[in-house]
Amino acid sequence: GENVEQHPSTLSVQEGDSAVIKCTYSDSASNYFPWYKQELEKRPQLIIDIRSNVGEKKDQRIAVTLNKTAKHFSLHITETQPEDSAVYFCAALNRDDKIIFGKGTRLHILP
Amino acid sequence: NAGVMQNPRHLVRRRGQEARLRCSPMKGHSHVYWYRQLPEEGLKFMVYLQKENIIDESGMPKERFSAEFPKEGPSILRIQQVVRGDSAAYFCASSPGRRSYEQYFGPGTRLTVT
Repeated sequence: GENVEQHPSTLSVQEGDSAVIKCTYSDSASNYFPWYKQELEKRPQLIIDIRSNVGEKKDQRIAVTLNKTAKHFSLHITETQPEDSAVYFCAALNRDDKIIFGKGTRLHILP
Repeated sequence: NAGVMQNPRHLVRRRGQEARLRCSPMKGHSHVYWYRQLPEEGLKFMVYLQKENIIDESGMPKERFSAEFPKEGPSILRIQQVVRGDSAAYFCASSPGRRSYEQYFGPGTRLTVT
């Protein structure tokens, strides 16, 4: 069935450096790709999303890129801060209108 | 601006008991989704409902699990005869329209089966 692969599963970066999380999807009909941030014991929160009619979207220190040909999309966080530490999930809306989530990336921001 | 509400936040049940999880969507949202999250895992889709209708329940086990979203009141996820493997965090999300719209999550219900 359709799935979303997410890498890496764990990522440690020095405070102030950039973090990149990559995802691939299998359903070529997918046209909506949200990213969620989940802090410990908290709810997933939508931080940014991108639709298939654009290749890149930016919101302050967060940007997402989409390559439809290669079926992959990435989250970029610049100038990382301690409060960026969390688990990040990518997701893709498949042809059945179902949102499929990746398994998550645990991001640690090192002081 | 009340977000998605879920209760209870924590629920402990013994094996064989029933668990009822409630979800009130954001104001103006008529679409509700339930997800299950196991420790260190992603979110697994269970069921998608609109008022009085189940649209997609392909992610929900066919036995012991049921969901509803009545005309009045919250959406309910019901698990009968719970087993240890049902222990997980159950999140609901709501959106104003079809799944191409943003989904906003509730705080989750953490179910522990002893």
